[in-house]
Amino acid sequence: DGGITQSPKYLFRKEGQNVTLSCEQNLNHDAMYWYRQDPGQGLRLIYYSQIVNDFQKGDIAEGYSVSREKKESFPLTVTSAQKNPTAFYLCASSRGLQHQPQHFGDGTRLSIL
Amino acid sequence: GQQLNQSPQSMFIQEGEDVSMNCTSSSIFNTWLWYKQDPGEGPVLLIALYKAGELTSNGRLTAQFGITRKDSFLNISASIPSDVGIYFCAGPTGTASKLTFGTGTRLQVTL
Repeated sequence: DGGITQSPKYLFRKEGQNVTLSCEQNLNHDAMYWYRQDPGQGLRLIYYSQIVNDFQKGDIAEGYSVSREKKESFPLTVTSAQKNPTAFYLCASSRGLQHQPQHFGDGTRLSIL
Repeated sequence: GQQLNQSPQSMFIQEGEDVSMNCTSSSIFNTWLWYKQDPGEGPVLLIALYKAGELTSNGRLTAQFGITRKDSFLNISASIPSDVGIYFCAGPTGTASKLTFGTGTRLQVTL
């Protein structure tokens, strides 16, 4: 089935540790996105990529990094510089045109040990 | 930047009741999207609206693109327990393919 796969579903991070969240899509979408969702809150954009080998910062990029080496993959690294990383992280993709809807994965919940 | 305000923030209704929620913007939108998020899952697209005044249905859900292009409405008829979740509106931001999401309406359904 076509879709977006995020892994792992749950992730735990120790203080000072970097962790990487995986996002893979087989929808042949050009654009991919990472959002952060805190309890009871909406979605805030971390990074987005309109095309392979290119990405831009979103509204809350500090403490995060991404890469887009392949069309189908857009991993997010939560670095030790992110002091409050506990949140629900959502990956999405779209065809990349302005009015196209985004389609989401099932999310990764990151917690601090 | 653009902001989307949703109301109500939360609502508790009885099974079988109809539900209405809305989304307003400080600026004009050319597209309105409505998503539903179940607990612990990613948002799922319910309805997409592309034209001012457009009224679109998806089963028991009906959404409208306001004629001012600054608002949109979502109605759910004859609610059932699986309607529980958070409903988000969204619209395109700037010239890229980014979306701005509303603050969400949390729906609880009691039997």
